[in-house]
Amino acid sequence: KNQVEQSPQSLIILEGKNCTLQCNYTVSPFSNLRWYKQDTGRGPVSLTIMTFSENTKSNGRYTATLDADTKQSSLHITASQLSDSASYICVVRGSSASKIIFGSGTRLSIRP
Amino acid sequence: DTGVSQDPRHKITKRGQNVTFRCDPISEHNRLYWYRQTLGQGPEFLTYFQNEAQLEKSRLLSDRFSAERPKGSFSTLEIQRTEQGDSAMYLCASSSPDRSGNTIYFGEGSWLTVV
Repeated sequence: KNQVEQSPQSLIILEGKNCTLQCNYTVSPFSNLRWYKQDTGRGPVSLTIMTFSENTKSNGRYTATLDADTKQSSLHITASQLSDSASYICVVRGSSASKIIFGSGTRLSIRP
Repeated sequence: DTGVSQDPRHKITKRGQNVTFRCDPISEHNRLYWYRQTLGQGPEFLTYFQNEAQLEKSRLLSDRFSAERPKGSFSTLEIQRTEQGDSAMYLCASSSPDRSGNTIYFGEGSWLTVV
């Protein structure tokens, strides 16, 4: 069964600290993996997209990694800011549009 | 680009009524998706259009749900005889491999509450 599992489910850190969010998937065949940020009540916004051959990709303070062998990805956030408080969703695309599988997200809260 | 826009943003309806949501994708995006999202969960795929053709449809989409994209631009999602379990946020998204490198852009969602 195609699945995307994220951990932790929720995370609280102090402003300025770093954190790493995890994503494990069983989607096959694999096309690409994306990380999205979703503010409460808003639509998801793309942070990064990675294909099979890419190991790491950065977008400002966000760095995503991908290990296609172990089917794991991580999203590292550096020097967190209050505006980083949101849900971070890992999305894996398989062979077709219906095989775009979303994780349940990690709810990140940044405290001042 | 004005982004993906959805209308209405919020809808409260009585059980048994019909509701329709509209989505205007980013101009010239040929792919359009509908998803449903409930609290604390990631979006679930409902259906996918390439231009005006509805190419894929989830088993989640019961007979009460219908989606159209008549001219390959905007799309509508209609829910007939709404049930309380239909309460969710309905997300529309669009993409164009040629123009956005497979990035899917989401709208802000249409919140449906069935009372």
